[in-house]
Amino acid sequence: DQQVKQNSPSLSVQEGRISILNCDYTNSMFDYFLWYKKYPAEGPTFLISISSIKDKNEDGRFTVFLNKSAKHLSLHIVPSQPGDSAVYFCAASALGPGGFKTIFGAGTRLFVKA
Amino acid sequence: DTGVSQDPRHKITKRGQNVTFRCDPISEHNRLYWYRQTLGQGPEFLTYFQNEAQLEKSRLLSDRFSAERPKGSFSTLEIQRTEQGDSAMYLCASLREGPTGELFFGEGSRLTVL
Repeated sequence: DQQVKQNSPSLSVQEGRISILNCDYTNSMFDYFLWYKKYPAEGPTFLISISSIKDKNEDGRFTVFLNKSAKHLSLHIVPSQPGDSAVYFCAASALGPGGFKTIFGAGTRLFVKA
Repeated sequence: DTGVSQDPRHKITKRGQNVTFRCDPISEHNRLYWYRQTLGQGPEFLTYFQNEAQLEKSRLLSDRFSAERPKGSFSTLEIQRTEQGDSAMYLCASLREGPTGELFFGEGSRLTVL
């Protein structure tokens, strides 16, 4: 069962415009939601996170919105830059007896056109 | 460079052979994770260590897979009698202490089984 879903495999945006990447989850027990960015031939790198008790977190050009009732979160990048072209993974983490467990979505490939 | 390092970066092997991957986490991180990523998918959790103790293993980790972290520092992931379905990117990550569960990933070890 996919607990974290990214239904858009790819997204193409013009430079300077807003990129909106979406993510849905099924488990209400997640404590934190995170976005990771991955360039080819590199491991994923952490981008931004949001606590399950918040509805918005902003860091520079990146803002994550959380809608708990809809079990939906989104990452907004504005303005988009060509260097933002990468695969973005939505992830959800829960703290259990054994420590953190993080589950990833399948990713959305973002193309930012100059 | 004090990031997570993995070795080898690429491994091509014939079906039935054994392979071993090594991960050196960030030195001050005591939690270490192994993930597997296949094309078009996000990272899938395999197993997790806190210091030298292996605390959780995924159902994905068949009997042919074994992971160790003997001194609580580096970790190894061994796959015995490799199958073509084992072809994937094997990612190691260490966990930054804090409430979010932010993972620091290595660049991965890509396995190709012929």
